[in-house]
Amino acid sequence: RKEVEQDPGPFNVPEGATVAFNCTYSNSASQSFFWYRQDCRKEPKLLMSVYSSGNEDGRFTAQLNRASQYISLLIRDSKLSDSATYLCVVNRDLNRDDKIIFGKGTRLHILP
Amino acid sequence: GAVVSQHPSRVICKSGTSVKIECRSLDFQATTMFWYRQFPKQSLMLMATSNEGSKATYEQGVEKDKFLINHASLTLSTLTVTSAHPEDSSFYICSAPRTQGPPETQYFGPGTRLLVL
Repeated sequence: RKEVEQDPGPFNVPEGATVAFNCTYSNSASQSFFWYRQDCRKEPKLLMSVYSSGNEDGRFTAQLNRASQYISLLIRDSKLSDSATYLCVVNRDLNRDDKIIFGKGTRLHILP
Repeated sequence: GAVVSQHPSRVICKSGTSVKIECRSLDFQATTMFWYRQFPKQSLMLMATSNEGSKATYEQGVEKDKFLINHASLTLSTLTVTSAHPEDSSFYICSAPRTQGPPETQYFGPGTRLLVL
């Protein structure tokens, strides 16, 4: 089983709709979780951290389920500018020998 | 504004030459930096962890003699692709964790696109 798994998509969603992605992780020792957004041929940019209690930032809501080892990202009222690849990132304790693991990303296309 | 810079942003070189890529943290110190490689339509793959004051830690399958990493200071790490070949053409990105209370956040450089002819 891969350490971090995401549905690669693409998700083709009409503008204004709500879309949700899930990401599962295999290592229960994982401590920190993030969603990054990557536009084509650009570096990833932090979208939001994912807290145990769940957190919201505008139209974006992230949740963590430690028992089932998954995190989710919900985008409400989707905009054309939301079209991108969304990367799930899992950090174990950032000691020198520990890894930052990226999911392969979920591609989202918002349709006008 | 940017907190991690990379230079150069784009480089084209002939096969067999060496290419150095710099990664700098702009307003914070980073004892650890990470180097990734991303092939087209693929996810980022961690190549190595750059450690200030000690040797880099390489991921399995990454040749340490080919990808030389030097963490010269608390704000600078360099990746040198030695004797580059066309299969080394890729998008190289560095990142640095910035600790401002949990959880730690990774800040990415803008990436370096390498094309080896």
